[in-house]
Amino acid sequence: KAGVTQTPRYLIKTRGQQVTLSCSPISGHRSVSWYQQTPGQGLQFLFEYFSETQRNKGNFPGRFSGRQFSNSRSEMNVSTLELGDSALYLCASSPLGGSSYEQYFGPGTRLTVT
Amino acid sequence: GENVGLHLPTLSVQEGDNSIINCAYSNSASDYFIWYKQESGKGPQFIIDIRSNMDKRQGQRVTVLLNKTVKHLSLQIAATQPGDSAVYFCAENNAGNMLTFGGGTRLMVKP
Repeated sequence: KAGVTQTPRYLIKTRGQQVTLSCSPISGHRSVSWYQQTPGQGLQFLFEYFSETQRNKGNFPGRFSGRQFSNSRSEMNVSTLELGDSALYLCASSPLGGSSYEQYFGPGTRLTVT
Repeated sequence: GENVGLHLPTLSVQEGDNSIINCAYSNSASDYFIWYKQESGKGPQFIIDIRSNMDKRQGQRVTVLLNKTVKHLSLQIAATQPGDSAVYFCAENNAGNMLTFGGGTRLMVKP
């Protein structure tokens, strides 16, 4: 099976702009989670989607949002970008999202805000 | 990589020796724990998991030990190889599919 894929892999944006990142889960996986990884804060949970519904949300401002499509692909959006949003954004997929917590990560999208 | 600049605890071992990486978790209600390995420029890679009703689980060259009394998790790697060099994270699941990650430990294997 192909792994989790994320596009784009690298992105440079300017403060105030908005950005959309995309994630394609492993085939058959219905749960998609997003994480932010920075040198200062480590890996932090953003949100999780299952069957097109947001099930869990981390402690991030409303500028961070996401959605999931019927084919389980997911996008996350960050509006009004700030310098502190520079990070590696990781997507992870899980088979069922119910009793199975095993998450498989993609390579990430490295976002740089200037 | 994403962990450059972050002051991570570092474990340096000789090739062929056994490695033990430790992790303290925060939530006594967490019911599932995972160890991930992250190499530079890549996303975290699943290594091994354990549920809270177990205290030990073995995989290929890896063993995870769980001590719920003191909320401690450890990852043992047997016969450590240069390819094991990476940052290792423990993660706890305490609400659905939401993982809380530890700060990570950098493992350096000397040939």
